[in-house]
Amino acid sequence: DAGVIQSPRHEVTEMGQEVTLRCKPISGHNSLFWYRQTMMRGLELLIYFNNNVPIDDSGMPEDRFSAKMPNASFSTLKIQPSEPRDSAVYFCASSETGANYGYTFGSGTRLTVV
Amino acid sequence: AQRVTQPEKLLSVFKGAPVELKCNYSYSGSPELFWYVQYSRQRLQLLLRHISRESIKGFTADLNKGETSFHLKKPFAQEEDSAMYYCALTDSWGKLQFGAGTQVVVTP
Repeated sequence: DAGVIQSPRHEVTEMGQEVTLRCKPISGHNSLFWYRQTMMRGLELLIYFNNNVPIDDSGMPEDRFSAKMPNASFSTLKIQPSEPRDSAVYFCASSETGANYGYTFGSGTRLTVV
Repeated sequence: AQRVTQPEKLLSVFKGAPVELKCNYSYSGSPELFWYVQYSRQRLQLLLRHISRESIKGFTADLNKGETSFHLKKPFAQEEDSAMYYCALTDSWGKLQFGAGTQVVVTP
């Protein structure tokens, strides 16, 4: 298994542009999580899905952020319009329901908004 | 409300010295606790699960329900242990909540 796959690895965009981050979870994992990591705030859970359904999106900072999971093998996190304060590393993780085994994280997308 | 507290932002130790990373938690039920490690600019990796009582890379962690702690220990630190370490707890939904993290720097 190739693990959790995120793309792109790096994204540099101008303020106001739309940004789409992508994630492919591990096959068979039915929970998917989006995290944001910054120096100031550490790791923040943005949203998580169970069986493709959003369960908790209370961590999504603003309406500019949206996430979808159209099927079990793909999820997107979109920021529109992007702002410099959105610059961070965005991690996707997946697990089997219950997460007693912990999560498997992707390599992350380093987003820079200038 | 559940919470994970890592009181040390930075821990600097000499190679060969013991290292202990503190983690305290608050949770109303029976917690599932983990330690994750993040090497420089890499993905987070699961290091330990409390339910498995395993030792990985020489690290161990014991759940102390009386003190609500899950401290991570290693008797002899190595330079390759330099990394960011996160303590984490899952709720009944399987949602993982992380502490603020502790940066470990092992100097020769």
